[in-house]
Amino acid sequence: GAGVSQSPSNKVTEKGKDVELRCDPISGHTALYWYRQSLGQGLEFLIYFQGNSAPDKSGLPSDRFSAERTGGSVSTLTIQRTQQEDSAVYLCASSSEVGLGNTEAFFGQGTRLTVV
Amino acid sequence: KNQVEQSPQSLIILEGKNCTLQCNYTVSPFSNLRWYKQDTGRGPVSLTIMTFSENTKSNGRYTATLDADTKQSSLHITASQLSDSASYICVVKGQAGTALIFGKGTTLSVSS
Repeated sequence: GAGVSQSPSNKVTEKGKDVELRCDPISGHTALYWYRQSLGQGLEFLIYFQGNSAPDKSGLPSDRFSAERTGGSVSTLTIQRTQQEDSAVYLCASSSEVGLGNTEAFFGQGTRLTVV
Repeated sequence: KNQVEQSPQSLIILEGKNCTLQCNYTVSPFSNLRWYKQDTGRGPVSLTIMTFSENTKSNGRYTATLDADTKQSSLHITASQLSDSASYICVVKGQAGTALIFGKGTTLSVSS
């Protein structure tokens, strides 16, 4: 596609339920990032995929959070047993990151997750 | 610890005025520094990207500067417009293969 696509755009879920958020990066981009942004806060790094390397999971806040990137393209962020503090906008970005990585990172519009 | 600090946290200016936003970082090694604009409810959009060898880069009314020795960057907005009201985020990339590190942003409000 022309840009990074995220789905759903909005998700309301009950506390304790599992949710899956999807990110379709720009075709050919080797790097994919997940961030989350709570209301009025800055972006919080969650996880980073780069090519075939092991992902950098250092930002995942708990073991309830996991992410996969299948075939080096689409990524799914899964939150198990959701809590109210998980409510936030989850943003995905992709980049071609050739060499030093001096390339643009493009963001999707985000998924607004509300846990009630 | 690799960090990106921005100041001020928020800023209110009158339409037509200029302003400068600051970014200090401790990321090392350093590949590049980016400034993003994030409108409310939207994903961040890139304004500039600078490598360690670049001192300044402009994008219309936006001019970014970088001092890699002092690890400081600034974003100068000239002749502000109402549409400049947004969050401006400083982002630093360390060595290749590492994730982007985001500052918390400066919220700019331009009023008429």
